[in-house]
Order: sequence, then C-alpha cells, then structure tokens
Amino acid sequence: EAGVVQSPRYKIIEKKQPVAFWCNPISGHNTLYWYLQNLGQGPELLIRYENEEAVDDSQLPKDRFSAERLKGVDSTLKIQPAELGDSAVYLCASSLERDTDTQYFGPGTRLTVL
Amino acid sequence: LAKTTQPISMDSYEGQEVNITCSHNNIATNDYITWYQQFPSQGPRFIIQGYKTKVTNEVASLFIPADRKSSTLSLPRVSLSDTAVYYCLVGDIMGYGGSQGNLIFGKGTKLSVKP
Repeated sequence: EAGVVQSPRYKIIEKKQPVAFWCNPISGHNTLYWYLQNLGQGPELLIRYENEEAVDDSQLPKDRFSAERLKGVDSTLKIQPAELGDSAVYLCASSLERDTDTQYFGPGTRLTVL
Repeated sequence: LAKTTQPISMDSYEGQEVNITCSHNNIATNDYITWYQQFPSQGPRFIIQGYKTKVTNEVASLFIPADRKSSTLSLPRVSLSDTAVYYCLVGDIMGYGGSQGNLIFGKGTKLSVKP
C-alpha cells in the first residue's frame, strides 16, 4: 500500500514569491493534516481536514497561507507571499476518520526562502 | 491538552535496553499517551499508544503507572537504526471529551545509539 505522497521534496524560492505544496493521502483516509516543522522542533499543526471540510485551521496564518482539499482526497497548501521565516519542512499526514491516534506522515517538503 | 516533558537527548549502545520517560502531570481522564519516532528527512512514524498499565507490540513497550502522570517507552536491544527523535504526545485523541483530538508534538528526545 502506498504511503502519503508529497511533492516537491525540496523547494527553494526567493522571498515574496508564491509556493505550493501538494499532498496525496493514503487511500481511504478521510482525515488530512498539514504540519510545519522547524529545525530541532516537533511538528506543529497548521490545518486539519475531515473530507473536504477544514475542521481546525486555528493555527494557519491566514494572511499568507491557504489550503484546499476540493474533492476530499489530495490537498494543496499555498504560501503567498513567502517570507524568510517560512523556511521549514511542511509535513502532510492522514488518518482514518476518528482514528486520529495513528497518523501516517509523508516525507515532507523542505522549503528554503532566500 | 496536557503538556509533556521528556529529556532532550539520550545516548545508548547497541544491544542495550533504552527507556525514555515522559512526564505529563496534567493528563486528563480522556487522554491517551502516544509515541512517535522520527528519522532525519522523514515524517514521524507511530510507535505505540496506551491508556494505562502496559502495552507491548513488536517494536516497543509502553509502561504507564496507575496515576498516569508519566509514561516510559522501552526499546529492547536497540540497534544503530534506532537512532532517531522520539516524541511523547498526550491528548484526547478520540474526542470523547469534546476536544478536537489534535496531537501536540514537543521537542522530543534525540536518541543516539553507538556501536
């Protein structure tokens, strides 16, 4: 069974440019998460989806970050415009509905903002 | 959500048993204890979860005392490949207490296994 797929794995951009990350969860997983992980820190939740609905986006900086999961399957996280402080690893995870104890993580996208 | 405290780092040698203790003094009745493992350049991976007493799987054991204010992850006979960061998380993951069941990761414990 394929795991959570993320692309790209690495992205380097200049500040003020837009950037987008894509995630394809494990088939059948209705819950999808986006996390941000800074160096030496644990992952921090940005947004959680139950199917197409964003049920928790309280930690998402909405002035520059946006996310969508239009058909309840894959998802895109966008930053526009990117700032130097956005340099981090962006992780996507998925889990079965109401089985939030076991989250399956993708490899992440390492973003570098110059 | 209950806050957790765990050692920043630990060193061990191959073949030894490693015990990583996590403190969670404010754990709530509906909270479960979950441990994740993370290798460099990879996302975290679920290891084990428990509510009370002892849980064992093919990878590790989790010991939880009666007061549930701490827990210990036990890795038997570690190898070099067990070098990773280990996260202890506490939360109402099933949402029975009315919370959204989100997980909060701390800084984790960086385990280094030496030959």
